[in-house]
Amino acid sequence: DAGVIQSPRHEVTEMGQEVTLRCKPISGHNSLFWYRQTMMRGLELLIYFNNNVPIDDSGMPEDRFSAKMPNASFSTLKIQPSEPRDSAVYFCASRRGRDSQETQYFGPGTRLLVL
Amino acid sequence: SQQGEEDPQALSIQEGENATMNCSYKTSINNLQWYRQNSGRGLVHLILIRSNEREKHSGRLRVTLDTSKKSSSLLITASRAADTASYFCATGLLDNYGQNFVFGPGTRLSVLP
Repeated sequence: DAGVIQSPRHEVTEMGQEVTLRCKPISGHNSLFWYRQTMMRGLELLIYFNNNVPIDDSGMPEDRFSAKMPNASFSTLKIQPSEPRDSAVYFCASRRGRDSQETQYFGPGTRLLVL
Repeated sequence: SQQGEEDPQALSIQEGENATMNCSYKTSINNLQWYRQNSGRGLVHLILIRSNEREKHSGRLRVTLDTSKKSSSLLITASRAADTASYFCATGLLDNYGQNFVFGPGTRLSVLP
């Protein structure tokens, strides 16, 4: 299995631009998570999907952030407009089921820099 | 506030020594998991311990859980330079969704050759 795939791996953009991050979960996994990691705040859960449905988006920082999961094999996290404080590493993770005892598998992350 | 808090924030040891990291949490949990993150990489699952378990082993890893003290420890024995990484505890919460973990801020472990 290829694992969780994220693209792009690196993104540099200017303030105000739209940024779209992409994630392909492991086949057969029906839970998907988006995290953001910074030195200041550590690893934060942004949103969680189960069976393509957003279950908990309380971690989404503000309306500039949106996430979609149109099907079981693809999800996007969009920031519009982007701001310098959005600079972080964004991780996508997937899990086979809803049980929190199951392992989350993380992608390699997208390193975002907003100038 | 963080559900899980690792201690210490940073740890530096010599190769061959044992490394112990601690995690404290605040609310009742279903399980606790430890993850490792190498620099520039995603997190990798190491070990899970359920709330009704007290100790678990996996290779050079030993995890303990004390639910009365709401704490867990991760012991890495005979450390190697390749163990250099950040280690996170994640608490699986009891809720209707069973959806997620809450990650602590992590312990940065440096194993010096």
